[in-house]
Amino acid sequence: GIQVEQSPPDLILQEGANSTLRCNFSDSVNNLQWFHQNPWGQLINLFYIPSGTKQNGRLSATTVATERYSLLYISSSQTTDSGVYFCAACLNAGNNRKLIWGLGTSLAVNP
Amino acid sequence: SQTIHQWPATLVQPVGSPLSLECTVEGTSNPNLYWYRQAAGRGLQLLFYSVGIGQISSEVPQNLSASRPQDRQFILSSKKLLLSDSGFYLCAWSVGGNPPDEQFFGPGTRLTVL
Repeated sequence: GIQVEQSPPDLILQEGANSTLRCNFSDSVNNLQWFHQNPWGQLINLFYIPSGTKQNGRLSATTVATERYSLLYISSSQTTDSGVYFCAACLNAGNNRKLIWGLGTSLAVNP
Repeated sequence: SQTIHQWPATLVQPVGSPLSLECTVEGTSNPNLYWYRQAAGRGLQLLFYSVGIGQISSEVPQNLSASRPQDRQFILSSKKLLLSDSGFYLCAWSVGGNPPDEQFFGPGTRLTVL
């Protein structure tokens, strides 16, 4: 089945630094989502991005579906950016609407 | 706008006791609904999903079951909890239909089985 791999698994930044998180997927997918899980466990939708580039404030994402990867950019990081970032790819097989998840990147932003 | 609720927020249960977690969605009709479990803070495992009332698909054989008695209600149950059932349970919804649409998550229930 499809596999989703994220890198790096852990990342420590100083406040104000920029970073790039990567998500590779092993097969064609219909869609891809990026989430941020805050320290309280809430999963927050960041981007729904099957292809192309989107930006939301200090965050942006790019998915190159033909090359099977997506990138999440965090600029001018803040301590509130800490948490785990997940990518998840939508696999469409008949009525099986699955999200296949990566293991996440754990980000700590230090003041 | 759509909102998704889960309760309880936290639960501590003894081994062998029953379980019922509830998820409801507001502001949409005929959503796809999902139950996930997250252990040790990393990696989500899809447990069940539903495309309509009474339609449940199970992803992983386990001690749990799911039911969808109403269009926007999804329930996760167990007759006898095991220690291994401890974890963070998340409910999600997406717009019904094909292709798969963006999923949105509830606040989760943190279950500890002692």
